[in-house]
Amino acid sequence: GDSVTQMEGPVTLSEEACLTINCTYTATGYPSLFWYVQYPGEGLQLLLKATKADDKGSNKGFEATYRKETTSFHLEKGSVQVSDSAVYFCALNQAGTALIFGKGTTLSVSS
Amino acid sequence: DAGVIQSPRHEVTEMGQEVTLRCKPISGHDYLFWYRQTMMRGLELLIYFNNNVPIDDSGMPEDRFSAKMPNASFSTLKIQPSEPRDSAVYFCASSSPVTYEQYFGPGTRLTVT
Repeated sequence: GDSVTQMEGPVTLSEEACLTINCTYTATGYPSLFWYVQYPGEGLQLLLKATKADDKGSNKGFEATYRKETTSFHLEKGSVQVSDSAVYFCALNQAGTALIFGKGTTLSVSS
Repeated sequence: DAGVIQSPRHEVTEMGQEVTLRCKPISGHDYLFWYRQTMMRGLELLIYFNNNVPIDDSGMPEDRFSAKMPNASFSTLKIQPSEPRDSAVYFCASSSPVTYEQYFGPGTRLTVT
């Protein structure tokens, strides 16, 4: 079945450092890919998405590109802030079905 | 829009008691999902509905769990009887048939003692 693998955390960075969180997937067909963010004690918020190969999703300085040839959707940000500290989940779904999540990566940014 | 609404936000109950979790999806969304989050298993689907009809309940752990969606604006997840291993955060999410983006509620943190 479909699955998502993302890098183990935690990831600890200083403010203004570059961020990359790796995500790869296994899926039949052409799934949509997502990054969700979860702040402590809160629900998941959609951060960005891409629905077809070579699409780039972006939001709040975060970017990820749907790479079908490498089955990847890595999350990147050029300069992280303390407020970016959270858990990040990579996910996929086929149209109209449930999300399949990676295990999550905890990001901690210090000033 | 108020977003997905879940109640209660926190529930503490004793083993053997019945627990009912509630969800109001975003108006106009015709998909509704129930997920459970634990440290050990991460985020996993329990059940989802389309137009109030259950489509996939393969993630429901056992007969102690049941879910209903009597109308487009309300769903319940019931656990009877509850057990300590049911302790988790339960999320409801909804999505539209156009974008398939899922929007999550704040979750219900369930503790069974």
